[in-house]
Amino acid sequence: DVVMTQTPPSLSVAIGQSVSISCKSSQSLVYSDGKTYLHWLLQSPGRSPKRLIYQVSNLGSGVPDRFSGTGSQKDFTLKISRVEAEDLGVYYCAQTTHFPFTFGSGTKLEIK
Amino acid sequence: EVQLVESGGGLVQPGRSLKLSCAASGFTFSNYGMHWIRQAPTKGLEWVASISPSGGSTYYRDSVKGRFTISRDNAKSTLYLQMDSLRSEDTATYYCATASYGGYPYWGQGVMVTVSS
Repeated sequence: DVVMTQTPPSLSVAIGQSVSISCKSSQSLVYSDGKTYLHWLLQSPGRSPKRLIYQVSNLGSGVPDRFSGTGSQKDFTLKISRVEAEDLGVYYCAQTTHFPFTFGSGTKLEIK
Repeated sequence: EVQLVESGGGLVQPGRSLKLSCAASGFTFSNYGMHWIRQAPTKGLEWVASISPSGGSTYYRDSVKGRFTISRDNAKSTLYLQMDSLRSEDTATYYCATASYGGYPYWGQGVMVTVSS
């Protein structure tokens, strides 16, 4: 199985600051079609997960452009610019390149 | 508006069965693959199973293979998860989610399954 390693496990940031979350996979996430199926999700407290970014860097519908994703092969980063209070929750990276699909262990973002 | 509504959860004894449903609306259900994903209490997300738009292809994680069956009724826009031989480690909130090249675009609200004697 592809292991997704997320760091840090938790973050505490002030409103307006920028943060980055790292996600590293144990195998390349480039599929045979040349695309990379690495996605980012946010699970706000008490809510279902919500997709933020798909295929490394594409913003999901309705997601503010404060969120951005970069990376390739096995190394990926989610950046949140100008953190807002509504951004608190647990962020997960997820790969849908290889079965079984797997998720990172999550990064909990708290607001100072 | 896309809506996914899970139902069928509850408390069940180890070794027994339960069938989850996910009613879809707001999109052409038969055009999309679907997933079941679960989350044990205070834990992270775990992919369980997927099904192709026609239902002709299914995929499972090893720990549920042979015990869980994913299926769909496109005429009813409903996804199912038949769970047999349940174990305590299957205790979780189960989510249905749409499948696409864009990851997991839409999620249901989740349904709780507790396996305990």
